[in-house]
Amino acid sequence: AQSVAQPEDQVNVAEGNPLTVKCTYSVSGNPYLFWYVQYPNRGLQFLLKYITGDNLVKGSYGFEAEFNKSQTSFHLKKPSALVSDSALYFCAVRDGYGGSQGNLIFGKGTKLSVKP
Amino acid sequence: EAQVTQNPRYLITVTGKKLTVTCSQNMNHEYMSWYRQDPGLGLRQIYYSMNVEVTDKGDVPEGYKVSRKEKRNFPLILESPSPNQTSLYFCASSLAGFGSYNEQFFGPGTRLTVL
Repeated sequence: AQSVAQPEDQVNVAEGNPLTVKCTYSVSGNPYLFWYVQYPNRGLQFLLKYITGDNLVKGSYGFEAEFNKSQTSFHLKKPSALVSDSALYFCAVRDGYGGSQGNLIFGKGTKLSVKP
Repeated sequence: EAQVTQNPRYLITVTGKKLTVTCSQNMNHEYMSWYRQDPGLGLRQIYYSMNVEVTDKGDVPEGYKVSRKEKRNFPLILESPSPNQTSLYFCASSLAGFGSYNEQFFGPGTRLTVL
């Protein structure tokens, strides 16, 4: 069965510092991996995804994520954090085996707090 | 503007009183889904629909019903709500087609309280 884990409930960084939000996954076949962000009182917004190809994926708002097959990880990164990046971040995985629109499994979320 | 809309945004009701949360998308997406979000549990899928008249259970379907009579609409029905269904609900949609790598677009959420 597929699963996704976000080991940190909260990540605190200072504005201007690099940030990393961690995600590990487990699937039977090839993973399709996603990051979403949720701002207070809003729905989830898509940030980026990995399907295949280059292990470094670039997305919205300066975020990027690195796919590491051997470590089954897909960590979200940003070189320089902004206070406005403070939000709840969700990693999600879908098992790409068979190419069907199966369930998208979400992690429990990581709250990112960026202090001035 | 491409969007997923949900109504109502906030709802307080009592145990056993049937309610419907509507969801509509204007992107001609084939795939639609309902999730509930609870603290510490992330998002859990309730039901999903691959296309009109095609629906299937997600991870937590008990106590919920859905229908997909039109491509754009995917209402969530609670026939007899209970307090454990107090939660934040999200509707989402995505393109169907080759593979399953399409990102989902989410509605703004419906905060439901069942007393």
